[in-house]
Amino acid sequence: GENVEQHPSTLSVQEGDSAVIKCTYSDSASNYFPWYKQELGKRPQLIIDIRSNVGEKKDQRIAVTLNKTAKHFSLHITETQPEDSAVYFCAASKSGGSNYKLTFGKGTLLTVNP
Amino acid sequence: NAGVTQTPKFRVLKTGQSMTLLCAQDMNHEYMYWYRQDPGMGLRLIHYSVGEGTTAKGEVPDGYNVSRLKKQNFLLGLESAAPSQTSVYFCASSFADRQFFGPGTRLTVL
Repeated sequence: GENVEQHPSTLSVQEGDSAVIKCTYSDSASNYFPWYKQELGKRPQLIIDIRSNVGEKKDQRIAVTLNKTAKHFSLHITETQPEDSAVYFCAASKSGGSNYKLTFGKGTLLTVNP
Repeated sequence: NAGVTQTPKFRVLKTGQSMTLLCAQDMNHEYMYWYRQDPGMGLRLIHYSVGEGTTAKGEVPDGYNVSRLKKQNFLLGLESAAPSQTSVYFCASSFADRQFFGPGTRLTVL
């Protein structure tokens, strides 16, 4: 089955700096890659996703890049703010038909220091 | 529009007891999922459903059963709880690939 590895497990940055979280996946047939943000004690919330037919997607201060050849994708957060502090999860899926199961990475704890 | 809701929010069980967790969604989603979240382990899929009356095993199904009798509800059952089932349980639903999560149930098995 699919295996998703996520690095780093913890990341500490100063407010205003950029943060980058990287994930690799094992199944070359995977075609859907979402990122979730989970604040302490809260539910995971979808913040951005990308499908395999595009290489990059941006939404204000966050962006995701995908390298299908290398089987890795990354989350970029620019101009970080204290409210960006949370655990971030990447995931991968062979999306289509009746199959939309996600395989998650183990998460990255991002701390933004004021 | 409540989205995905879960009942209960917290529960403490003794080893060997049984319980059912309820997930409900009001978005008319076909697909529903149960995950468990343990420290350092991410989210792991327990069981999922691709439609009313259907269920399938995920990555960690042992010790759990599920039912999807109505499209809007997905039940997760523990027949004989074990301490290893202490975890936070999240339900999610989707129309296709974008999954939306419920608020979670924190379960402790003593």
